[in-house]
Amino acid sequence: GENVEQHPSTLSVQEGDSAVIKCTYSDSASNYFPWYKQELGKRPQLIIDIRSNVGEKKDQRIAVTLNKTAKHFSLHITETQPEDSAVYFCAASGAGGYQKVTFGTGTKLQVIP
Amino acid sequence: DTAVSQTPKYLVTQMGNDKSIKCEQNLGHDTMYWYKQDSKKFLKIMFSYNNKELIINETVPNRFSPKSPDKAHLNLHINSLELGDSAVYFCASSLRGGNQPQHFGDGTRLSIL
Repeated sequence: GENVEQHPSTLSVQEGDSAVIKCTYSDSASNYFPWYKQELGKRPQLIIDIRSNVGEKKDQRIAVTLNKTAKHFSLHITETQPEDSAVYFCAASGAGGYQKVTFGTGTKLQVIP
Repeated sequence: DTAVSQTPKYLVTQMGNDKSIKCEQNLGHDTMYWYKQDSKKFLKIMFSYNNKELIINETVPNRFSPKSPDKAHLNLHINSLELGDSAVYFCASSLRGGNQPQHFGDGTRLSIL
């Protein structure tokens, strides 16, 4: 089955700096890669996703890059703000209708004001 | 209007008891999921249903029994609760299959005494 590894497990940055979270996956058939943000005590929420036919996607201060050859994808947050502090999960799912989504182990991001 | 709603939000009970968690979504999605998030914040898929049909059943003890009376509802019944069942349980829904964004409920925090 799919295995998703996520690094780092914790990340502290100064407000205004950039943050990068990296994930690798094992199943070359995976073709959908969402990122979820979970604030303390809240539910995970999708912040951005990318499909295998795209190498990069941006949405304001966040961007995701995908390298299918190397089987890794990354989340980039620029100009970090205190409200970006949360746990971020990457995930991967395979082709076909009902492939399950496999989540990474999470990265706790702390933005220091 | 809450898109994915779970009840109860908190559940405190004794070892050996039986309990149920209910989930409903009003997004018109046809796929629903149960996840378990342990104290280390790992998100693990437990079950997935599509149009009331079980499509994913991870290695979960058979004390856990999901039921989907219709595609908008997915309930989770747990028999003979054990200490290790303490966790936050999230319900989620999506359009068909794993290659679509998932919308999570607010979670049910289960504590076993």
